[in-house]
Amino acid sequence: GAVVSQHPSRVICKSGTSVKIECRSLDFQATTMFWYRQFPKQSLMLMATSNEGSKATYEQGVEKDKFLINHASLTLSTLTVTSAHPEDSSFYICSARYAGLNEQFFGPGTRLTVL
Amino acid sequence: EDKVVQSPLSLVVHEGDTVTLNCSYEVTNFRSLLWYKQEKKAPTFLFMLTSSGIEKKSGRLSSILDKKELFSILNITATQTGDSAIYLCAIHSGNTPLVFGKGTRLSVIA
Repeated sequence: GAVVSQHPSRVICKSGTSVKIECRSLDFQATTMFWYRQFPKQSLMLMATSNEGSKATYEQGVEKDKFLINHASLTLSTLTVTSAHPEDSSFYICSARYAGLNEQFFGPGTRLTVL
Repeated sequence: EDKVVQSPLSLVVHEGDTVTLNCSYEVTNFRSLLWYKQEKKAPTFLFMLTSSGIEKKSGRLSSILDKKELFSILNITATQTGDSAIYLCAIHSGNTPLVFGKGTRLSVIA
C-alpha cells in the first residue's frame, strides 16, 4: 500500500524558534498533500492543502506567514512553523493523495512541543 | 458546508461487548465515507464506503453506509482492549480534502 513518512516524529523547541516538518510519499507521486493539526482530545483540523508546484490553500484562521508550506516535488511537502509559541504545541499530521483516488494516506504525525 | 457528526463522543465497554459507532453527514457532492482508527499516532485506514447497503467487513469490524439517510455505522463485535482508540469518520466530497467528525473515543476494559 501507499506509504507516507514524516520527519521528525517528535520535536521539542524553544519559543521563538522555527521548526520544519517533512512529509514524503515513499512509493507514489502525491499530486496533493494536506496538513492537519490535532490538539489533545480533539479531531483533526485541516490547516492547508498544497498542490505540487503551486501555493498552498490555507483554511480560515490559519496564518500563512506563520505556517509556511512548500510542496516542491511530487513526493515532498514541508511545513515550517515559524517563531513557534507554546500554543503551537500540537500533533501535526500530513496526508497525501494522488490523482483520481478518493483515499488519503496519512503520515505517522509529528508531535511538536514548544517550551 | 460539509459536516460530519459522530456519536457517541465517548464510550466505555467491557471486553466481549459489541459496539456500534454512528456517523451522520451533510455533503454537497458525496464521493465516499471513510472510517479511521487512531491510537497514539496518525489515523489508520479501516474502510471506505461509496455505495449504500454494501457491508464492508474486516475481522470483527464491519461498516455500512446509508446514502438515503446520510449515515454510516461502524460495528465492532467481541471487543478487545486493543480496540481502545478514537474512531474517526470522514467524508470525501469532490476534490476537497477530507472533512472529519470529532471522533468517538472507545475504551474497552478487561
